[in-house]
Amino acid sequence: DAGVTQSPTHLIKTRGQQVTLRCSPISGHKSVSWYQQVLGQGPQFIFQYYEKEERGRGNFPDRFSARQFPNYSSELNVNALLLGDSALYLCASSLGRHLRNTEAFFGQGTRLTVV
Amino acid sequence: AQSVTQLGSHVSVSEGALVLLRCNYSSSVPPYLFWYVQYPNQGLQLLLKYTSAATLVKGINGFEAEFKKSETSFHLTKPSAHMSDAAEYFCAVSEGNNAGNMLTFGGGTRLMVKP
Repeated sequence: DAGVTQSPTHLIKTRGQQVTLRCSPISGHKSVSWYQQVLGQGPQFIFQYYEKEERGRGNFPDRFSARQFPNYSSELNVNALLLGDSALYLCASSLGRHLRNTEAFFGQGTRLTVV
Repeated sequence: AQSVTQLGSHVSVSEGALVLLRCNYSSSVPPYLFWYVQYPNQGLQLLLKYTSAATLVKGINGFEAEFKKSETSFHLTKPSAHMSDAAEYFCAVSEGNNAGNMLTFGGGTRLMVKP
């Protein structure tokens, strides 16, 4: 079975540009969450989507946005990129909305470098 | 608000020695607690989780953790370290069913295993 897939695996952008990251959850999973992991730190929660609706938002500026499609895949958009946005962006999918009876499975991430 | 503190950003043990990685949490509601492992250039893999059932939780690869409410701790242990255990370990907390599947991670502990 395919796990959580993210694309692209690496990309380099210039300050001020916009970027779109993509995530395909495990088949049957309806929840997708996004995390930012800056080098040397733990992941930080950005968004959760469940059944195509935003269910949670972390402490990130409005430059960050996301959406979930009818097939439950998701995109994370970041506008007006800053050097500080350089990080590993992780997508996690789970069967249900809550973690009591389900597990969050993480993709391998997209490494974004802003120059 | 919830938070996680991992004591020791780097831990070094000899192969065959006890592994002890420390995690303390704060949460305003009964928490769900997790340990994840991250190998270089990969996503996160769940080792084990506590969701208000047994306080001693057994996970994969011989790891276990004990939930101690009085100490607000969830330390990770393994009786005998193997070279393949060398990786980054993250403790995370979720506020149960109140917060979807939003995870708050600690800063991580890099485990090094000496031959």
